[in-house]
Amino acid sequence: KAGVTQTPRYLIKTRGQQVTLSCSPISGHRSVSWYQQTPGQGLQFLFEYFSETQRNKGNFPGRFSGRQFSNSRSEMNVSTLELGDSALYLCASSPRTGTATSGANVLTFGAGSRLTVL
Amino acid sequence: AQKITQTQPGMFVQEKEAVTLDCTYDTSDPSYGLFWYKQPSSGEMIFLIYQGSYDQQNATEGRYSLNFQKARKSANLVISASQLGDSAMYFCAMRGVSGGSYIPTFGRGTSLIVHP
Repeated sequence: KAGVTQTPRYLIKTRGQQVTLSCSPISGHRSVSWYQQTPGQGLQFLFEYFSETQRNKGNFPGRFSGRQFSNSRSEMNVSTLELGDSALYLCASSPRTGTATSGANVLTFGAGSRLTVL
Repeated sequence: AQKITQTQPGMFVQEKEAVTLDCTYDTSDPSYGLFWYKQPSSGEMIFLIYQGSYDQQNATEGRYSLNFQKARKSANLVISASQLGDSAMYFCAMRGVSGGSYIPTFGRGTSLIVHP
């Protein structure tokens, strides 16, 4: 069973540019969530998509956006990049069936996309 | 609001010994799940173990066990017989059932180093 695939794994951008990251979830998983991880702030929730709809959103500016396609693959976009956007961006998928406390709703993470903004 | 606290920034353990990583949590949600993840230097978060708030018994998965004390709001991870490959960051996380508490909350992590 293939895991969660994130592309690209590494990328370098300059301030003001935009970036698009991709996430392919585990087959059959309909929920995809995104996280930003930095040494200073730790792991922070960005947003979650389920059935092509954004279901939850973290406390990030509007420069951070995402979408989900009918095959559950998801993309996130960051526009007008700032130095502080340098981070590891992690994507996770889950079945999102039953209750949130069910062990079946464990998040399975991808290897991440490491973004460096110069 | 949910909160996860991991008070140990770093831990050292001798190979083959057991180690306990601390995690305390706070939530007003009566129903929630607690998770532990391992993050090696490669960056991928690896799921280790899960405990539901209504589970009567402590969860175990191979060498990992979760010492769940609901009244104290603690969910410590115990790794038995440590191996060199256990060296990594370990994150405690929780997830509620409704509204904002459905969003997972992560602790700041504990760096574990296993010495030969």
